[in-house]
Amino acid sequence: GAVVSQHPSRVICKSGTSVKIECRSLDFQATTMFWYRQFPKKSLMLMATSNEGSKATYEQGVEKDKFLINHASLTLSTLTVTSAHPEDSSFYICSARGQQGRGETQYFGPGTRLLVL
Amino acid sequence: GQNIDQPTEMTATEGAIVQINCTYQTSGFNGLFWYQQHAGEAPTFLSYNVLDGLEEKGRFSSFLSRSKGYSYLLLKELQMKDSASYLCAVRSATDSWGKLQFGAGTQVVVTP
Repeated sequence: GAVVSQHPSRVICKSGTSVKIECRSLDFQATTMFWYRQFPKKSLMLMATSNEGSKATYEQGVEKDKFLINHASLTLSTLTVTSAHPEDSSFYICSARGQQGRGETQYFGPGTRLLVL
Repeated sequence: GQNIDQPTEMTATEGAIVQINCTYQTSGFNGLFWYQQHAGEAPTFLSYNVLDGLEEKGRFSSFLSRSKGYSYLLLKELQMKDSASYLCAVRSATDSWGKLQFGAGTQVVVTP
């Protein structure tokens, strides 16, 4: 089946630093990528929608200057958490949408666990 | 907007069958997804239905009735590893990027 990778899988950083998370679709071209955040025992929360070659669309309440998204190609999107603070500690998951085989797919990456000290 | 309802929790014994129902209301339907999510992990794709009927994939099957706004995920021959949260997600035809709206998830507990 399709594979979506994320790197790094886990990161610990000091407050005030920036962290970049990469999301790659490995065996299909992703027309659209989505970035989610999930707190423990809570539902997935969509942060933004990313399309190759265009600006990301952010959900209400998500600061676009804090969560920078770049979709450089049909297989790569990056999320940069700028000036991270402890409240940004969460599980960040990307999802890639594309065509594979006989139909539509939307697969999740394995997630990146961020801990800000 | 979209409303997606699924039960909060279901318990079943190993080897049994469990059916997780999902009802939805959407302004324009463009597909329904089921995902499995184990604690501390990202969701894993299980199935995608866009036309009415049953899609079977091994021990898992998913059914869709668009006229009723209803889907179910059927898990057969339950195994302990099937203990997880199962997420129903709907894509609206009115969203140009294909965003998914997720239900809160159904926690399935498989007992020996």
